[in-house]
Amino acid sequence: GAVVSQHPSWVICKSGTSVKIECRSLDFQATTMFWYRQFPKQSLMLMATSNEGSKATYEQGVEKDKFLINHASLTLSTLTVTSAHPEDSSFYICSAPWAGAETQYFGPGTRLLVL
Amino acid sequence: GENVEQHPSTLSVQEGDSAVIKCTYSDSASNYFPWYKQELGKRPQLIIDIRSNVGEKKDQRIAVTLNKTAKHFSLHITETQPEDSAVYFCAASGGTGRRALTFGSGTRLQVQP
Repeated sequence: GAVVSQHPSWVICKSGTSVKIECRSLDFQATTMFWYRQFPKQSLMLMATSNEGSKATYEQGVEKDKFLINHASLTLSTLTVTSAHPEDSSFYICSAPWAGAETQYFGPGTRLLVL
Repeated sequence: GENVEQHPSTLSVQEGDSAVIKCTYSDSASNYFPWYKQELGKRPQLIIDIRSNVGEKKDQRIAVTLNKTAKHFSLHITETQPEDSAVYFCAASGGTGRRALTFGSGTRLQVQP
């Protein structure tokens, strides 16, 4: 099956700093990737759709200037949480559809803790 | 946009019994319905999916049914085992060309040995 990786797997940072999370499709190309956020004991909520070669599409209520997304290549999308605050502490997960189909494969997630 | 509701939020069964989780969706244009299993601290793992042109799909102990008219779909797990204990999420996509998944709220399944 398709493999999606994320880095780092966890990060602790101070309030006000920026954190970059990478999402890579290892054995396939993905023109589109998705970023989700999951708070403890809650469901996955879509934050944005990352599009290779064009701007990301953000969901309502997600600040595009705070959560910067760059889809630099067909195998890499990055999410940068700028000026992180404790309320941004969450589990961030990316996904990518394999072979342009509906099936999506998830990365292992990045647990962010902002102190 | 799409809205997916999932019930129950928690489900406890005895080992060997069956478990059923139900979801409803709002966008009649949605055409893809996957189910994911998520263990604590890990990524969601796809366990089965169904497309709108199919009413039922089965894979060993797991089956999914879809009722397009009523806009609901269900996950059935038979002969449950303790390792089936996890959080299960239903999802939907495809409405108005939307490829992103809209998830249900999740069901915590606990299989008692």
